[in-house]
Amino acid sequence: ELKVEQNPLFLSMQEGKNYTIYCNYSTTSDRLYWYRQDPGKSLESLFVLLSNGAVKQEGRLMASLDTKARLSTLHITAAVHDLSATYFCAAMRTGTASKLTFGTGTRLQVTL
Amino acid sequence: DTEVTQTPKHLVMGMTNKKSLKCEQHMGHRAMYWYKQKAKKPPELMFVYSYEKLSINESVPSRFSPECPNSSLLNLHLHALQPEDSALYLCASSQDADQETQYFGPGTRLLVL
Repeated sequence: ELKVEQNPLFLSMQEGKNYTIYCNYSTTSDRLYWYRQDPGKSLESLFVLLSNGAVKQEGRLMASLDTKARLSTLHITAAVHDLSATYFCAAMRTGTASKLTFGTGTRLQVTL
Repeated sequence: DTEVTQTPKHLVMGMTNKKSLKCEQHMGHRAMYWYKQKAKKPPELMFVYSYEKLSINESVPSRFSPECPNSSLLNLHLHALQPEDSALYLCASSQDADQETQYFGPGTRLLVL
């Protein structure tokens, strides 16, 4: 069974600081996704990482994937308040097309 | 149009009621999904439809009954629910079921009394 773990579960950081969210998964995964969810809202797709060494960046967020370590990271650069949300990673196991397994989520709070 | 829509936004129902949740997408996607999300938890997959056929049922109780009338619509029929079924129900769609990015609707917040 594919398991996906994130840490930290909660992150409070000041504006302007950098930090990284970690996502570990237990078995081989074809793709790794990052989603953002604002309170009471739906999930917004941020990144999809397809292969070992993949790196994608959008604004202050950068995601990377190391399939050998079964690890993905979401790096936040110079955080701003608007980034406050819950971030989920999700993995899809080889051979189980369309079945996403989500991580526990990281609630990010950026303080002024 | 890159939107998945869901109705209603909120629903309160008693344990003896029958209600339906609706989901619609006009992106030409051929895979559609139902997820259940409890507060402060990640979404949990319930059902997957691929080309209008049910391809995955994650051992969901029969009081939840999915239906895919056509490639753009997905319904979730609810009957005799329990209070623990109260949650946010999210619909998603993807180009096909072969590992494409899933796009989520705004969800229906369900309260079972």
